[in-house]
Amino acid sequence: GAVVSQHPSWVICKSGTSVKIECRSLDFQATTMFWYRQFPKQSLMLMATSNEGSKATYEQGVEKDKFLINHASLTLSTLTVTSAHPEDSSFYICSASYLAYEQYFGPGTRLTVT
Amino acid sequence: KQEVTQIPAALSVPEGENLVLNCSFTDSAIYNLQWFRQDPGKGLTSLLLIQSSQREQTSGRLNASLDKSSGRSTLYIAASQPGDSATYLCAAYSYSGAGSYQLTFGKGTKLSVIP
Repeated sequence: GAVVSQHPSWVICKSGTSVKIECRSLDFQATTMFWYRQFPKQSLMLMATSNEGSKATYEQGVEKDKFLINHASLTLSTLTVTSAHPEDSSFYICSASYLAYEQYFGPGTRLTVT
Repeated sequence: KQEVTQIPAALSVPEGENLVLNCSFTDSAIYNLQWFRQDPGKGLTSLLLIQSSQREQTSGRLNASLDKSSGRSTLYIAASQPGDSATYLCAAYSYSGAGSYQLTFGKGTKLSVIP
C-alpha cells in the first residue's frame, strides 16, 4: 500500500518551454501533497505544500508564478514549470500524505532544460 | 526553523563492519523522525520511521534510535554489505500549522561498503 507515482520519470525540454509533472497517489487519498527539488549532491528542499482544492503554499524563495501547482483531486497533483531555463534543471520529487500522517514519496522526475 | 545535520557526510567501511550514522536536529518539538535511503539518480526508499513517543525502531539489520531531549537520532547498520552502499537521509517532521506537518531533510551521509 501507499504507492505514489510520478510521470514522466525524466524529461528534456528546450529553454522557454513549459513542462508538466504529474504526481498520483495510487491506493490512498492524499489530503496533502508536497513538491521537493533536489540539486546534484544536495538534499531535498521543500518547494510547496498543497491541499486538495486549495491554493498551494510556497516556501520562501520559490516563485509561484514559475512553478504552478494544481491539486485538483485527492489522488492527483501537478507541477508545471513555466518558461523553463537551464537553472531549473533538477530532480523533482513529490510526496503525498493522508491527514497528518507519514509522507509517501514518488520515484522522482529528472528535468533537463537545454 | 528546523535544521537537520548529518555527520559524517561520507563514510567508507569494509564489508561486514557495523556502523552508525548520526543525525541531529535543532527543534526538539518534532512529530516523527524518518530515515531514508537514496540510490544515485533514484527516489527515496523509506527505511524506518520513529514516532515522537518512541525511542527506537528496528527492521532487519537496521536499528534507529531517537532522543528528542538531546535532538539526536542514530541509524545503526549491522554487518554491512556492498548492497548497503547508498546515501542515507535523515528527516524530521515538524508541525507547520493548519494541521500540516513538514519534513526537513539533512544533507545525507554517503555510505560506501567495500567488498
